[in-house]
Amino acid sequence: ETGVTQTPRHLVMGMTNKKSLKCEQHLGHNAMYWYKQSAKKPLELMFVYNFKEQTENNSVPSRFSPECPNSSHLFLHLHTLQPEDSALYLCASSQEIRGPRGTEAFFGQGTRLTVV
Amino acid sequence: AQTVTQSQPEMSVQEAETVTLSCTYDTSESDYYLFWYKQPPSRQMILVIRQEAYKQQNATENRFSVNFQKAAKSFSLKISDSQLGDAAMYFCAVESGGGADGLTFGKGTHLIIQP
Repeated sequence: ETGVTQTPRHLVMGMTNKKSLKCEQHLGHNAMYWYKQSAKKPLELMFVYNFKEQTENNSVPSRFSPECPNSSHLFLHLHTLQPEDSALYLCASSQEIRGPRGTEAFFGQGTRLTVV
Repeated sequence: AQTVTQSQPEMSVQEAETVTLSCTYDTSESDYYLFWYKQPPSRQMILVIRQEAYKQQNATENRFSVNFQKAAKSFSLKISDSQLGDAAMYFCAVESGGGADGLTFGKGTHLIIQP
């Protein structure tokens, strides 16, 4: 248990569905991240939030919509996804951006998303 | 932009032996952090070790140590006395944009421990 919890663990959705991924951290961190992990590719940063403010959108398609209502919760809203969006989506948190320990990130177990 | 290269897609080591995983990186930052993460089949990314670039001394965490060569932009991970529980994917990562851009990861090395 690293203090970062993601739900659901697995999700299968059709291309016309709307679903949301949830991430919650109990570490008192102020920065949260969404990463995408596809087979045979490095982890790709999608979004960064610092103190609830989005600081990075790494050219992610608009069919992915993040939401950070507070420093402990992060959502990723999904709509009209494509099969190539199937991947493991990892949430992470860190004390803060540019903090004294660098961007030492703590990860959740991920949501395995399959788009059919 | 930062890049991280892990040239070994897969490594195998006998239990109790020592193995070294290689990593090279490129960054325009003068002050940055480097990390090794482990991802077992449970999928949870777990921090193994962290190195501050401004520190010349190599980081050590129990059986895990790094060989940090700043000029060569090399950051290898040495695992001593390998154990079955060390079997996992290992990812090297560099902090990006002073931290504002999260972490840039390599493609990973799959470590197999042979009993």
